[in-house]
Amino acid sequence: DVKVTQSSRYLVKRTGEKVFLECVQDMDHENMFWYRQDPGLGLRLIYFSYDVKMKEKGDIPEGYSVSREKKERFSLILESASTNQTSMYLCASSLSGMNTEAFFGQGTRLTVV
Amino acid sequence: AQSVTQLGSHVSVSEGALVLLRCNYSSSVPPYLFWYVQYPNQGLQLLLKYTTGATLVKGINGFEAEFKKSETSFHLTKPSAHMSDAAEYFCAVNPRVGNNRLAFGKGNQVVVIP
Repeated sequence: DVKVTQSSRYLVKRTGEKVFLECVQDMDHENMFWYRQDPGLGLRLIYFSYDVKMKEKGDIPEGYSVSREKKERFSLILESASTNQTSMYLCASSLSGMNTEAFFGQGTRLTVV
Repeated sequence: AQSVTQLGSHVSVSEGALVLLRCNYSSSVPPYLFWYVQYPNQGLQLLLKYTTGATLVKGINGFEAEFKKSETSFHLTKPSAHMSDAAEYFCAVNPRVGNNRLAFGKGNQVVVIP
């Protein structure tokens, strides 16, 4: 089975802190994604990566950056956390090809206080 | 950019009744289409997908969906709701051209009434 593992289920951080969310997949997938999930808004794409060191902005990249130094690992970075970044963050991975499904991690619920 | 419309954020259905969740997409070229389910405190899990071929697609847990090009729709159905179907359901599309960017609808929270 494909496994996508997010390093934390719950995180509480203070405003202004630099926050790292880590995601690891074990199926050699080319694509990796970070989404943000908020009630009533569905999933919104923050960033995605289609290869090591390659990244593209999604629909809501402001306030976030990403890093993909190894194929299996994709990190989301909040440079200076703010309360409006309190949310559920979901990582996903998929094979290249648009007809392939994405596999999701369990999610990280981040609270910024 | 692709857009996906799911109407009705909360859907209540009686146990044993038909489950119908609607999904419409906006694209002149039919995209690849997916339905995902999210159980409480979990990530998303694929229910079914349409890529090519037969337009009626069967998925896990008794769900199925039909792709209708003329209506730009991919509605999800299950003949008889079970209590375990209480979850949030997301329709998603991936365009056949351009970047591989899976776009999601806003979701339907399904409540099953005993």
